[in-house]
Amino acid sequence: DVVMTQSPLSLPVTLGQPASISCRSSQTLVYSDGNIFVNWFQQTPGQSPRRLIYKVSNRDSGVPDRFSGSGSGTDFTLKISSVEAEDVGVYYCMQGTHLPFTFGQGTRLEIE
Amino acid sequence: QVQLVESGGDLVKPGGSLRLSCAAAGFTYSDSYMTWVRQAPGKGLEWLSYISGDSSDIDYADSVKGRFTISRDNAKNSLYLQMNSLRVEDTAVYYCSRDPRRLPHWGQGTLVTVSS
Repeated sequence: DVVMTQSPLSLPVTLGQPASISCRSSQTLVYSDGNIFVNWFQQTPGQSPRRLIYKVSNRDSGVPDRFSGSGSGTDFTLKISSVEAEDVGVYYCMQGTHLPFTFGQGTRLEIE
Repeated sequence: QVQLVESGGDLVKPGGSLRLSCAAAGFTYSDSYMTWVRQAPGKGLEWLSYISGDSSDIDYADSVKGRFTISRDNAKNSLYLQMNSLRVEDTAVYYCSRDPRRLPHWGQGTLVTVSS
């Protein structure tokens, strides 16, 4: 199985400061059609997960542009350019290229 | 807009069975792959199973293979997860979603508790 390793697992951030979450896969994630199915999800307290980013760098409709995704090979990153209070929660990366699909352990973002 | 509503969660004893349902709306259900994902209390997300629009393509995570069965009824825009031989470690919130490689939309989830 592909292991998705996130770091850090806990991320204290000051309001207005940038934040970055790393996700490293144990295999390359290029699907047979050339797509790289790496997604990022946000789960705020008491809520279902919400997708923020799909296929590495595509932002979902309604997602603030302070969120961005990047990466290639086995290294992927979610960045928040300026953290706001509503960004508190747990962030997960996920690969949908190789079965079984797998998630990272989650990164808990909190405000310092 | 897309709506996914899970139901059927309950308290069940180890070794018992339960059937979860997911009602879908707002997209062409019969053309869509569907999937189940779960989250144990305080833990991360775990992909469980997917099914193609015509039910010809199905797969499971090893943790549930042989115990859980995914199915769908396209006439009712509904997805199901039959869970047998339940274990304490199956305790989780179960979510349905479409497009298992991308998971664009999630329901609110339904809680399954396995305990004696």
